[in-house]
Amino acid sequence: GIQVEQSPPDLILQEGANSTLRCNFSDSVNNLQWFHQNPWGQLINLFYIPSGTKQNGRLSATTVATERYSLLYISSSQTTDSGVYFCAVEAWNRDDKIIFGKGTRLHILP
Amino acid sequence: DGGITQSPKYLFRKEGQNVTLSCEQNLNHDAMYWYRQDPGQGLRLIYYSQIVNDFQKGDIAEGYSVSREKKESFPLTVTSAQKNPTAFYLCASSNMGRDRNTEAFFGQGTRLTVV
Repeated sequence: GIQVEQSPPDLILQEGANSTLRCNFSDSVNNLQWFHQNPWGQLINLFYIPSGTKQNGRLSATTVATERYSLLYISSSQTTDSGVYFCAVEAWNRDDKIIFGKGTRLHILP
Repeated sequence: DGGITQSPKYLFRKEGQNVTLSCEQNLNHDAMYWYRQDPGQGLRLIYYSQIVNDFQKGDIAEGYSVSREKKESFPLTVTSAQKNPTAFYLCASSNMGRDRNTEAFFGQGTRLTVV
């Protein structure tokens, strides 16, 4: 099946810093999502981004489907950005399963 | 409000007992999914369903069972055959179809503890 690799696995930053999280996938995909898991376990939808670039406030994401990767940018980090960020992909020719990467754990220090 | 609801939020089970986790959605989504998350780990797919009365095994289906009798509901039963059931369980739903937005949405999760 499709492999989804996220990097880095852990990231510690000072408040106000910028960060880039990466998601690589091993085969063509039709959909890609970024999620933020908060301290209570809830998965918050950040971006639904099969291709192209989207921005939402301090967050933006870019997916280059032909090169099989996606990037999540966080600017001017805040302590509330802490948590785990997951990338998930879906391929219509692979039973339509949604496959998750192992996540990037982000710690923002005050 | 439209959304996906999991219940209960916390569940305790004695060894050897079966227990059923509820997942209901009113988003009119075709597909529903169950994932398991262990501490500090990612999400692993247990079962998924793309249509009523049909479902497929995910990567870790052993010791679990599901049903999809209604479009809105996809309950997960953790059976006594599951060797290590203590975990956080997440349910999701999404649309299906190549010409549709298939963004997935998650419930708030159920924390199951075997005592």
